[in-house]
Amino acid sequence: KAGVTQTPRYLIKTRGQQVTLSCSPISGHRSVSWYQQTPGQGLQFLFEYFSETQRNKGNFPGRFSGRQFSNSRSEMNVSTLELGDSALYLCASSPLTRLANTGELFFGEGSRLTVL
Amino acid sequence: LAKTTQPISMDSYEGQEVNITCSHNNIATNDYITWYQQFPSQGPRFIIQGYKTKVTNEVASLFIPADRKSSTLSLPRVSLSDTAVYYCLVGDWMIDFNKFYFGSGTKLNVKP
Repeated sequence: KAGVTQTPRYLIKTRGQQVTLSCSPISGHRSVSWYQQTPGQGLQFLFEYFSETQRNKGNFPGRFSGRQFSNSRSEMNVSTLELGDSALYLCASSPLTRLANTGELFFGEGSRLTVL
Repeated sequence: LAKTTQPISMDSYEGQEVNITCSHNNIATNDYITWYQQFPSQGPRFIIQGYKTKVTNEVASLFIPADRKSSTLSLPRVSLSDTAVYYCLVGDWMIDFNKFYFGSGTKLNVKP
């Protein structure tokens, strides 16, 4: 069974640009969540999508947005990039049903964004 | 938000048992306790989850006292490959992801 796939793995942008990151969840998983990880702030929750609807949102500015498609694939977008947006962006998927759930979020390997 | 407190770092030697304790005084009735492992530049990997008493799987055990205000992750006979950051999370993310707080984790360094 294929794991969570994130693309691209590495990218470099300059301030003011925008970026789109993609996440393909494990087949059958309907929940996709996104996280930002930096050395200073640790791993912080961005937002979560379930069946194309944003159900939960973390404390990030409106420059950070996302969406989920009918096949559960998800994208996140960051507009007007700032130096502080340099981070590892992680995506996780889950089946999100109590019967099939061990409490496990399945993470991808992340997209490493560097903003110059 | 049920905040957790873990040691920032721990050292151990190969073959030893490692116990990492997490304090979560404000845990709510519906909250689960979940532990993740993360290697550099990789996504976290689920280790174990529990609600009360003791849970064991093929890689670890989780001990939770009756008051649930703390929990201990036990890694039997660690190896060098267990060197990683371990996160204790408290919450019920099926309800609210914002309550699923990773914190700073415990950096475990296993020495030969």
